[in-house]
Amino acid sequence: QKEVEQNSGPLSVPEGAIASLNCTYSDRGSQSFFWYRQYSGKSPELIMFIYSNGDKEDGRFTAQLNKASQYVSLLIRDSQPSDSATYLCAAMFNNAGNMLTFGGGTRLMVKP
Amino acid sequence: EPEVTQTPSHQVTQMGQEVILRCVPISNHLYFYWYRQILGQKVEFLVSFYNNEISEKSEIFDDQFSVERPDGSNFTLKIRSTKLEDSAMYFCASRGASSYNEQFFGPGTRLTVL
Repeated sequence: QKEVEQNSGPLSVPEGAIASLNCTYSDRGSQSFFWYRQYSGKSPELIMFIYSNGDKEDGRFTAQLNKASQYVSLLIRDSQPSDSATYLCAAMFNNAGNMLTFGGGTRLMVKP
Repeated sequence: EPEVTQTPSHQVTQMGQEVILRCVPISNHLYFYWYRQILGQKVEFLVSFYNNEISEKSEIFDDQFSVERPDGSNFTLKIRSTKLEDSAMYFCASRGASSYNEQFFGPGTRLTVL
């Protein structure tokens, strides 16, 4: 059973702080990991993906992957109120369909 | 910037009726997906589609569901006889051949079964 787990939150951080979002996955065959942002009532919006151990930076966002610990994280630097949303972690196992398995999401609240 | 589009944005139907949800994937993408999200729950995979056939489907995607690419641009999800528990947001996603498996989601269709 392929599962992706996230703390549902809410995670509350002050404006300008670093928000740290975490995700664990059960399937060692999972090879790629994706972070999506979802505003209430809207569709998932891709932020970034990672497939190699270590860090990957894109603007204010840094994704971290540790395959030995089956752990993925997303850091958001200089958090803004507009970053307030639910952050979805998704894993992809490279089968024929390349489907995404999503976690339940972590709700982030950035307070001005 | 190219994007996935979906119609309608909201569909209300009576239990037992057939519905067709429509999607126009990003134009040069080759892989297409349907996901659903019941209110307050996880996004769940339904089906993936490539080269005019289903590549993978989940347990949710039973005989009541079907997908089709009727022409070069549309990708549809049909639910033959809707149940109350089919009420959810349905998202279409697509990805290209050259990108590293990044899937881009459409805005979704909210399906309400009464």
